[in-house]
Amino acid sequence: SAVISQKPSRDICQRGTSLTIQCQVDSQVTMMFWYRQQPGQSLTLIATANQGSEATYESGFVIDKFPISRPNLTFSTLTVSNMSPEDSSIYLCSAVGGETQYFGPGTRLLVL
Amino acid sequence: GDSVTQMEGPVTLSEEAFLTINCTYTATGYPSLFWYVQYPGEGLQLLLKATKADDKGSNKGFEATYRKETTSFHLEKGSVQVSDSAVYFCARSGGYNKLIFGAGTRLAVHP
Repeated sequence: SAVISQKPSRDICQRGTSLTIQCQVDSQVTMMFWYRQQPGQSLTLIATANQGSEATYESGFVIDKFPISRPNLTFSTLTVSNMSPEDSSIYLCSAVGGETQYFGPGTRLLVL
Repeated sequence: GDSVTQMEGPVTLSEEAFLTINCTYTATGYPSLFWYVQYPGEGLQLLLKATKADDKGSNKGFEATYRKETTSFHLEKGSVQVSDSAVYFCARSGGYNKLIFGAGTRLAVHP
């Protein structure tokens, strides 16, 4: 199994600012992902965080808004840029260990 | 496209009642199927999974059987507890280790 931690656990931000969320896995993993869970809704995949190369974004998500880094096999960051109230969500990091996808506890973001 | 459909919630039950949460999927192949649980204020936890037809996943008294003929993966538990109150997500594999989630079903169990 993989244990995943995220920082911060929650934050309240002003519109127009940016927030970087960190994701740390306790073991080396090949695949890491970032998801968004808007209030009362299901999870939507934002992107696949690729180690050593640019992230692969899903339809509707762009690098300028959600830049992602993955400098090694255990760590990734997601930045939510130029935030608006519509970005208020839970952002979850996940990693594939074996054949199972494990999730971090999430970062609860409120944009005012 | 490939998708996952869950029964709408909320589902409200009394303690020790029988639980069923329906889940169906569409797929061109034979995906792996999962149930994740999200307790209040927490992230997602894998509850159980099945990787091929007729497999039964089970954990903490919950069970789900991979039914290829009906493209279903219904979650069941014989006797729910208050501590089972959570949101349950059905998911299928979507290629490249991605997951495609259903909308989630909120379960509320009352004493």
